[in-house]
Amino acid sequence: QVQLQESGPGLVKPSETLSLTCTVSGDSVITYYWSWIRQPPGKGLEWIGYVYDSGSANYNPSLKSRVTISLDTSKNQFSLRLNAVTAADTAMYYCARVNGAAILDYWGQGTLVTVSS
Amino acid sequence: QPVLTQPPSASASLGASVTLTCTLSSGYSDSKVDWYQQRPGKGPRFVMRVGTGGIVGSKGDGIPDRFSVLGSGLNRYLTIKNIQEEDESDYLCGADHGSGSSFFWVFGGGTKLTVL
Repeated sequence: QVQLQESGPGLVKPSETLSLTCTVSGDSVITYYWSWIRQPPGKGLEWIGYVYDSGSANYNPSLKSRVTISLDTSKNQFSLRLNAVTAADTAMYYCARVNGAAILDYWGQGTLVTVSS
Repeated sequence: QPVLTQPPSASASLGASVTLTCTLSSGYSDSKVDWYQQRPGKGPRFVMRVGTGGIVGSKGDGIPDRFSVLGSGLNRYLTIKNIQEEDESDYLCGADHGSGSSFFWVFGGGTKLTVL
């Protein structure tokens, strides 16, 4: 069974970099695509981006200038970096697998990141 | 890109049926929509994909037969029959609006289902 688990700091200061890791079990990150999605408190989901193959990535245009998603095949993980964060980046962050039909079919439980000084 | 609209809340009695609606914005009547269930404190769980012809592909892991979908015009429906307490969740819809091998997902605001 495919399982994903997010990890990383729960508190980030404004203007600093948010860094999260998603550890995958039950599948290899060299298969399919792997995505990050976030949900601000009381709001809907926002797709952030995805990574695939040896590290190719595609990002939401609204975040593209600040985001990097990368793969670590040796650890079966993928990571999110979001630069220059503000309070508007406070959200629950989820990682998910994208299957061959472009379905986000397995998700992690999510991790809450708060941006505050 | 499409905008997906969902009513913020719905309710149904134990053992009854309920139909949840996800409405696509004008011009996207051919789009497929994915339904997700999100229980409190958990990540979303894929339920199934729906197009104008009904279900597309297979249901998500462990989704009961009580869950079904239909599509008509700009609306994509999720029906839950014989509602159980465990069905009390947020139900989200999402759609991939990418082209070719590039994907781009948009989501509705979700419907909170209360089981009475």
